[in-house]
Amino acid sequence: SYELTQPPSVSVSPGQTASITCSGDKLGDKYVCWYQQKPGQSPMLVIYQDKKRPSGIPERFSGSNSGNTATLTLSGTQAMDEADYYCQAWDGSTTVVFGGGTKLTVL
Amino acid sequence: QVQLVESGGGVVQPGRSLRLSCVASGFTFSDYAMHWVRQAPGKGLEWMAVISYGGGNKYYADSVKGRFTISRDNSKNTLYLQMNSLRPEDTAVYYCAREAVGPTTTTYFDYWGQGTLVTVSS
Repeated sequence: SYELTQPPSVSVSPGQTASITCSGDKLGDKYVCWYQQKPGQSPMLVIYQDKKRPSGIPERFSGSNSGNTATLTLSGTQAMDEADYYCQAWDGSTTVVFGGGTKLTVL
Repeated sequence: QVQLVESGGGVVQPGRSLRLSCVASGFTFSDYAMHWVRQAPGKGLEWMAVISYGGGNKYYADSVKGRFTISRDNSKNTLYLQMNSLRPEDTAVYYCAREAVGPTTTTYFDYWGQGTLVTVSS
C-alpha cells in the first residue's frame, strides 16, 4: 500500500518560514493536498493540487511537489498557524492516503 | 453555505454495531462523491470509505473492508456508515467529508463535518 511520511514536528519562530515535508514513492507524479487541523476542530483544506490555495487561505501558505517530496511552506508564520498539518494524496486507484501529520509549533 | 453534520456516535461494546449519519446542506448532495475519515484519539487521519455521487461505486480501507458499509440516500441528503463487529481500535472521531470536484487524477476534501465520537469499550 502507498505510504506518505511526514516529520512528527516542526518548530518555527514568528515571522520566519516554516517548511513541512511529505515523502512518498514518485509522489511528484501525484497531486498532493494539505490540511490544517487545530485542536478540537475539523481539518481544513489549505493547499490542493500541489500548490493551489482555496478561497480564504492566506498567501503565506504555498505548496510544491517534485520527485518524491511535497512541501508545504508557510512564509511569515504567525501564532495562529500553530496546528497539525496533514498531507494527502490519492493512490491512483481507489484509496486516499494521509501522511502521519506534523505538529507545527510557533515558538 | 455548505454544512455537513454527523450524528450517531456513542459508546458501544466490542462486537456490536452502530450506524453513523451525515446530513448535508448548502449544496446539491447528489452531485458529489462523499467519504468517511476517522481519527483515533491523539492520532492522525485515516481514510475509511468513499461512495460515488450516485451510490453505485464504493471503496473501503482494508482495515474496515467487510465490516463497514457506506451508503447514501440522495433524497434525504444523507450519508451513512454502518459499522459492524466493532473493535476497540475503531474508537475514533468519524468525519464525513465532501470530495472536491477536480481532475480525475486526484481526490481531496473541500468540506468536513464536525465529527462524531465512537467509543468501543466494554
